[in-house]
Amino acid sequence: GAVVSQHPSRVICKSGTSVKIECRSLDFQATTMFWYRQFPKQSLMLMATSNEGSKATYEQGVEKDKFLINHASLTLSTLTVASAHPEDSSFYICSAHRGDYEQYFGPGTRLTVT
Amino acid sequence: AQSVTQLGSHVSVSEGALVLLRCNYSSSVPPYLFWYVQYPNQGLQLLLKYTSAATLVKGINGFEAEFKKSETSFHLTKPSAHMSDAAEYFCAVTLNTGFQKLVFGTGTRLLVSP
Repeated sequence: GAVVSQHPSRVICKSGTSVKIECRSLDFQATTMFWYRQFPKQSLMLMATSNEGSKATYEQGVEKDKFLINHASLTLSTLTVASAHPEDSSFYICSAHRGDYEQYFGPGTRLTVT
Repeated sequence: AQSVTQLGSHVSVSEGALVLLRCNYSSSVPPYLFWYVQYPNQGLQLLLKYTSAATLVKGINGFEAEFKKSETSFHLTKPSAHMSDAAEYFCAVTLNTGFQKLVFGTGTRLLVSP
């Protein structure tokens, strides 16, 4: 149990376009979902925390107008990278929390902006 | 504030040798501690966790870790390395007083040679 999926697994887009990444908890309801960004050979950087039905809480330095998070249901959160630029290229990972002390991680999405 | 320090960005071992990955934490209250493994272009998989029960924790794939409060450490060990253990390993900490954000270490890349 506690499976989290992400879609797409990888995406290539042109500079200036917007990209949406979905994070789904497949077999449980997630009270909270988290979005991370990981640069090559580095650790995970928390971008934001989202709770179903409320606005996401962004970490310091993360542009909320650039990285739009919607947590529409207890099983789905989306991250939209608005007007993506090459510097937004990265590996994005989501995780979901179901009420215990663990986070369950998705497989990640590789975004490449050309 | 909590923090995690992983000593050694890279650790190299021979197949069959002991694996030791170091993690020291800082927390003002009793922590929950986690070890995750990440294979290339994948999300994080939980290896094991410490949640205030037994101080010696056994995880998947033959890994174990011991919580030592006096040393503020939670080192990860495996008696005999396999080639398939080559990956990135992250130590993480969170508070045990209700769910809090995970704070990750910088990661240690384990290299296993034949």
